[in-house]
Amino acid sequence: EPEVTQTPSHQVTQMGQEVILRCVPISNHLYFYWYRQILGQKVEFLVSFYNNEISEKSEIFDDQFSVERPDGSNFTLKIRSTKLEDSAMYFCASSGQGGSGNTIYFGEGSWLTVV
Amino acid sequence: AQSVTQPDIHITVSEGASLELRCNYSYGATPYLFWYVQSPGQGLQLLLKYFSGDTLVQGIKGFEAEFKRSQSSFNLRKPSVHWSDAAEYFCAVGGDTGRRALTFGSGTRLQVQP
Repeated sequence: EPEVTQTPSHQVTQMGQEVILRCVPISNHLYFYWYRQILGQKVEFLVSFYNNEISEKSEIFDDQFSVERPDGSNFTLKIRSTKLEDSAMYFCASSGQGGSGNTIYFGEGSWLTVV
Repeated sequence: AQSVTQPDIHITVSEGASLELRCNYSYGATPYLFWYVQSPGQGLQLLLKYFSGDTLVQGIKGFEAEFKRSQSSFNLRKPSVHWSDAAEYFCAVGGDTGRRALTFGSGTRLQVQP
């Protein structure tokens, strides 16, 4: 069964450093997402991406975050200057025809620890 | 704005017992509803989904859920719980016009006693 893959599975970084989380969405999917889950809390939407541009973002997704689809297969989340509160599990997800009318498939997550 | 409430933070059941996890949603039109399961340190696996049609939907691992519009609920059930079902369960809603994101509930942690 096709799946969303994410790398790295776990990353430790120092506060202020830049981090790039990588994702390979399911190959024929058109919509891509990043969600995050702070330890012990609910899963929160960050951003959705379609047709090479951001289609929606939450208030969490501020100027320190950016997304990119650099090569037609990867989908990345960059955090420019990490803060302690960015420590969380980051989930990449993808869906087919689009959005809420279709199933969103999640990756295994990238656990980011900021120290 | 859409929202999801999972009233039970933590539930413990005995192996072989039946299970019902509650989910209430707030949404202005027909919602698209999902249940995901997350084992410790793992990603989110889709259990089942409701888009339209039959209000009782079947999912993987023997789970089912019933959409009740009058109660704004989408409760997850399983007739006989297995020890491997111990995990965190998340209800999610999508469907807001122009939105493509899911809104998740806070989750219910299920413990299974032998």
